[in-house]
Amino acid sequence: GQNIDQPTEMTATEGAIVQINCTYQTSGFNGLFWYQQHAGEAPTFLSYNVLDGLEEKGRFSSFLSRSKGYSYLLLKELQMKDSASYLCAVGRGGGKLIFGQGTELSVKP
Amino acid sequence: GAVVSQHPSWVICKSGTSVKIECRSLDFQATTMFWYRQFPKQSLMLMATSNEGSKATYEQGVEKDKFLINHASLTLSTLTVTSAHPEDSSFYICSASGSRGVTEAFFGQGTRLTVV
Repeated sequence: GQNIDQPTEMTATEGAIVQINCTYQTSGFNGLFWYQQHAGEAPTFLSYNVLDGLEEKGRFSSFLSRSKGYSYLLLKELQMKDSASYLCAVGRGGGKLIFGQGTELSVKP
Repeated sequence: GAVVSQHPSWVICKSGTSVKIECRSLDFQATTMFWYRQFPKQSLMLMATSNEGSKATYEQGVEKDKFLINHASLTLSTLTVTSAHPEDSSFYICSASGSRGVTEAFFGQGTRLTVV
């Protein structure tokens, strides 16, 4: 079976830092992806972790612990445009992704 | 990155009719394409995996006779929603992977289907 959990909603203030957690239990694992999705649009790729540790890319960082089945996405210096849904997805190989339910992030002034 | 084009962006159809959605990889050969469905305020749910030249593999609970998938070439996969009903109204998104990205898949822009 497979289970991917992330909080449904989060609220943060412009300029702050927010961490979105994701825990997973899947029968297969080929990396952990994070996507950003604005309403009515396709997901946009943010990050990919296959080894344990932190990957930093500008204002966004992503962390993975395979032994704990845990990942987080860290967003720094939040901007209003960061208000979106953030999707955690487990890769199953060959491009196949299993998504969590998504976290709706609201950034307030 | 690789470009995947999905058409149409939105479509409105009458209940009982069929609708075809196309997914094209524009600058790479997509050996595998994936079809997802997303209801409002929910995440993407994988419907099926299609490999060029072979039958699609459907996820549990997805009716293969209702959602017909054809992947006749390395650049095109189609999803046909047959005998559409209002409950089929959803956002349908395809993704494609190929030799350029066996790990990552690239998403089309999605199709908003409304059945009236």
